[in-house]
Amino acid sequence: EAQVTQNPRYLITVTGKKLTVTCSQNMNHEYMSWYRQDPGLGLRQIYYSMNVEVTDKGDVPEGYKVSRKEKRNFPLILESPSPNQTSLYFCASSLSGFTDTQYFGPGTRLTVL
Amino acid sequence: AQKITQTQPGMFVQEKEAVTLDCTYDTSDQSYGLFWYKQPSSGEMIFLIYQGSYDEQNATEGRYSLNFQKARKSANLVISASQLGDSAMYFCAMREAYNNNDMRFGAGTRLTVKP
Repeated sequence: EAQVTQNPRYLITVTGKKLTVTCSQNMNHEYMSWYRQDPGLGLRQIYYSMNVEVTDKGDVPEGYKVSRKEKRNFPLILESPSPNQTSLYFCASSLSGFTDTQYFGPGTRLTVL
Repeated sequence: AQKITQTQPGMFVQEKEAVTLDCTYDTSDQSYGLFWYKQPSSGEMIFLIYQGSYDEQNATEGRYSLNFQKARKSANLVISASQLGDSAMYFCAMREAYNNNDMRFGAGTRLTVKP
């Protein structure tokens, strides 16, 4: 089954404790991205990747890191989480054209205390 | 600058009636794609319908259609014969060819279908 998976689905952590949210897709997509969703703001892009070893900042990259060492994986790293990073996070993947639909993972609900 | 505007934070519709969710966009690119997603209370993002900037016909997918008015830069979603299961958040999004194909989202519209 074609899908984007994220882990964990739910996470409660404390300020400053490094964490990684994994994202994997099995559709051989070049393009992958991370979004955060906050009430009233829709989805805002954190980072995206056009292909292996090619990443770039989205609209809200501060406090986040990513890497793309393999085509299928695109982990999101929070080196020192803060309460303002409490949010719902989505990973998405697609082919790389402007006509291509992005397919989303199930989401990770993160709470930073 | 906000590229996608959804002016209706919340909408109500009676079951079996049609409803239009508004979306306007801003771009100077000639090549772009417009997308609508549904997010039910369970949280997942479900792709509904796509319209390309060069498409001359409005897109349709079952009960969903897209009222595309290019000159007005609007891409409204029309849901016909609303069902209770249509109650959800709906997001309009755009990908521009010149902008590394980033996808930008509106703030969303929460649709509630009344029985």
